[in-house]
Amino acid sequence: ILNVEQSPQSLHVQEGDSTNFTCSFPSSNFYALHWYRWETAKSPEALFVMTLNGDEKKKGRISATLNTKEGYSYLYIKGSQPEDSATYLCASRSQGNLIFGKGTKLSVKP
Amino acid sequence: NAGVTQTPKFHILKIGQSMTLQCTQDMNHNYMYWYRQDPGMGLKLIYYSVGAGITDKGEVPNGYNVSRSTTEDFPLRLELAAPSQTSVYFCASRQGNQPQHFGDGTRLSIL
Repeated sequence: ILNVEQSPQSLHVQEGDSTNFTCSFPSSNFYALHWYRWETAKSPEALFVMTLNGDEKKKGRISATLNTKEGYSYLYIKGSQPEDSATYLCASRSQGNLIFGKGTKLSVKP
Repeated sequence: NAGVTQTPKFHILKIGQSMTLQCTQDMNHNYMYWYRQDPGMGLKLIYYSVGAGITDKGEVPNGYNVSRSTTEDFPLRLELAAPSQTSVYFCASRQGNQPQHFGDGTRLSIL
């Protein structure tokens, strides 16, 4: 069974701060890495799907990088806003299903 | 497209009762999943299906059953509800290497 680890578990930042989280996953038989944004009382929404080593994806102020050889992905948020407050989930897929990490809970104070 | 639709949104069940959580998707996705989310534990896969007529156990299948008679529907059944099954349940679907689409969740309490 894959083990997907996310750090930190939670993070509190001030509005305007830039921040980043880490997702680590087993690099063997890697197929894809997913990032989701999960607001309280809602369902997870997809941010990125990355498959190639060195992939970089960007959506507004949020970007992500992927290193499949060493088994990690970073999610960056530039100039955090209160509406960025959510849990950010990563999930790795090898040959089978997605295995989710426990998420990083981000709180952005105005 | 409605995406992934789960019903009910909330339900309270007595110990030993049975119920079915409904999930339907209108995106013609082959893959469908049921997860449970417990505090501090992330999403745990209960059952999944790679297409109509095919289902497989996930990480935590005990106490649950599923069926996939059509591409659209993937109901989750609890036969003898236990307090340990109090959780938030999410259904999801996927096609190919696209991201998973999640339903809004069913919050289930067993008392």
